[in-house]
This record gives sequence, C-alpha cells and structure tokens, in this order.
Amino acid sequence: QFHLQESGPGLVKPSETLSLTCTVSGGSISSRNYYWAWIRQPPGKGLEWIGSLYHSGATYYSPSLKSRITMSADMSKNRFSLSLSAVTAADTAVYYCARHAGSGAGGMDVWGQGTTVTVSS
Amino acid sequence: DIQMTQSPSSVSASVGDRITIACRASQGIGTSLAWYQQKPRKAPKLLIYGASSLQSGVPSRFSGSGSGTDFTLTISSLQSEDVATYYCQQAKSFPFTFGGGTKVEI
Repeated sequence: QFHLQESGPGLVKPSETLSLTCTVSGGSISSRNYYWAWIRQPPGKGLEWIGSLYHSGATYYSPSLKSRITMSADMSKNRFSLSLSAVTAADTAVYYCARHAGSGAGGMDVWGQGTTVTVSS
Repeated sequence: DIQMTQSPSSVSASVGDRITIACRASQGIGTSLAWYQQKPRKAPKLLIYGASSLQSGVPSRFSGSGSGTDFTLTISSLQSEDVATYYCQQAKSFPFTFGGGTKVEI
C-alpha cells in the first residue's frame, strides 16, 4: 500500500528557497498510472494545488506560482521534490504531497501527513 | 483556469440529518470532480471521485452527483464523526482547482 511522507525544514527565511521532499513507499513513482502532486494550505484557509509531476519528467504548475516553482523526481530513491524560491510570509502553510491519476480521471487518493513550513526571519 | 465555488460555506445540523453541499464549476468539467473530507490537523481524505464514485472504505451515507458545472455531495444521515470541512476539486484539466470548503458542524 502506498505511503507518502513529506520532509524538509520547518522554518525558512524570507527571500530564500523552500525545499521539500516526498518519499514514497509501497510502490514506485515510476508507475505509469499515477502523477505526484504538491498541495498547500495556509493557516485557517483552504487547499491550493501547487503542481504535479509525471514519471516521464512532465510537470504542471500553478500559474500563480509557476515562476518560482521547480518539481523533480529521483527515481533511484523513489522520491520527488518541490523547490519554491523567493519565499514570503504568504508561503507559510502546511505542505502536502499526494498521488493522483491523470487529468480527467480520479482524485488524489493517497496523501502524506503534511509538513508545516513557516516563513520568518 | 476553472474556478470552483462551493456553498454554503458552513452548515450546522443534527445527528441523523441529511445535508447537501453544492459545488459549481466556472465551465463544464464533465464528471471530473472529486470530494474530500478534512478533519482538523489532518490531511484531506478522498471521498468521491468521478463525481459519483465512492472511494473504497468510505461509508455509503456519502454520495455524489452531478455533471457539467453543477455537483452535489450528500450525507444521508449525519454522524458525529462527519464533523469536518469538505472540499470539491476539479480534475478535468491542469491547473487543478479546489472549492473554498464547507465546514460541517453538529
């Protein structure tokens, strides 16, 4: 059974780059059946999709974050990563990784527990 | 981008009540809609996909309907453990978008 686990620093300074990793167990991120996504939730607010990654290397990003995001996968370690540059206080949130089928198909059926990131000096 | 609008933003009901949450897409998405339940300090949980398909392990009191632009999540008999915030999400095309959420209280 797939299990996802986020990891990364809990505190990032303004203007720096946030880097998070999602380690996948119970299956391979090379699976053709799934995409791998990042979603965030600012304190007291709703869910925001950040981007999705396919094993081929194809990436799909939120237009509002596209200029600051890079997503990548490390097949050898069965994990994928998010980099968000030039962070501000508005990037403070719980960050989740999740699995989903392709666009037009089912929802995000496996989620990590989430990791809290605070942007502050 | 496809905008998703949920209503109401909150609902208070009694145990055993039937409640309905609405979700509207700014353009047609067929049946590419998912519903999630999120309890405090927990990750969201997929309830419904494809607008009406129940995710494995989800109680049958949850159901989804709709197609095109208008969708509904129904809880047929509200239980205390259903207290949570519910979100819809369009899965038709990137960028994926979520509704603003509906908080269900007892």
